Amino acid sequence: GAGVSQTPSNKVTEKGKYVELRCDPISGHTALYWYRQSLGQGPEFLIYFQGTGAADDSGLPNDRFFAVRPEGSVSTLKIQRTERGDSAVYLCASSLDQTRVNNEQFFGPGTRLTVL
Amino acid sequence: KQEVTQIPAALSVPEGENLVLNCSFTDSAIYNLQWFRQDPGKGLTSLLLIQSSQREQTSGRLNASLDKSSGRSTLYIAASQPGDSATYLCAIYSGTYKYIFGTGTRLKVLA
Repeated sequence: GAGVSQTPSNKVTEKGKYVELRCDPISGHTALYWYRQSLGQGPEFLIYFQGTGAADDSGLPNDRFFAVRPEGSVSTLKIQRTERGDSAVYLCASSLDQTRVNNEQFFGPGTRLTVL
Repeated sequence: KQEVTQIPAALSVPEGENLVLNCSFTDSAIYNLQWFRQDPGKGLTSLLLIQSSQREQTSGRLNASLDKSSGRSTLYIAASQPGDSATYLCAIYSGTYKYIFGTGTRLKVLA
């Protein structure tokens, strides 16, 4: 079946603008995760959804970042008043059921965000 | 707090060499460790996942080992090829639903 998809693949925006990044998880996966990968670094956790609710948003860097998953499937990561430091690759992952031990996450191709 | 370190940060080898990538972690209370490959501008491709109860996993020319007590994992690549050139990331899953990643090893295999 189809893997995790993310749109757009690339997004260039100007400082101060608002952006939305979309993630379509693998069908049937109840858990969804967002990570951010800065240049030369490993991905860092941002937020995790179990179903429609954000179970842990402790990785969001500040209140300019917000994510939703209203129907328990597609998720949107929203960034307000973008700053140049927000430039990174934003990765989305999904897993079948987070409550299972050794739950494996499957990653999407990422969205490369560039803030000019 | 779990910290994951990968050494070396970058590696350049001639084609055909066998090579070892290293990953170390500070907290041995893990559920599994996973090795990923990342091509430039691309997402993560899972290579091998080792459960905490396992010592190693093999897939083709790849072999990953895990020593929980010492907080170390190695990824062994046999007979390297130019197509193996990529960044290799290790990630720890400790049951807290998020992966903790290392910073990666950038591998270049020269033809």
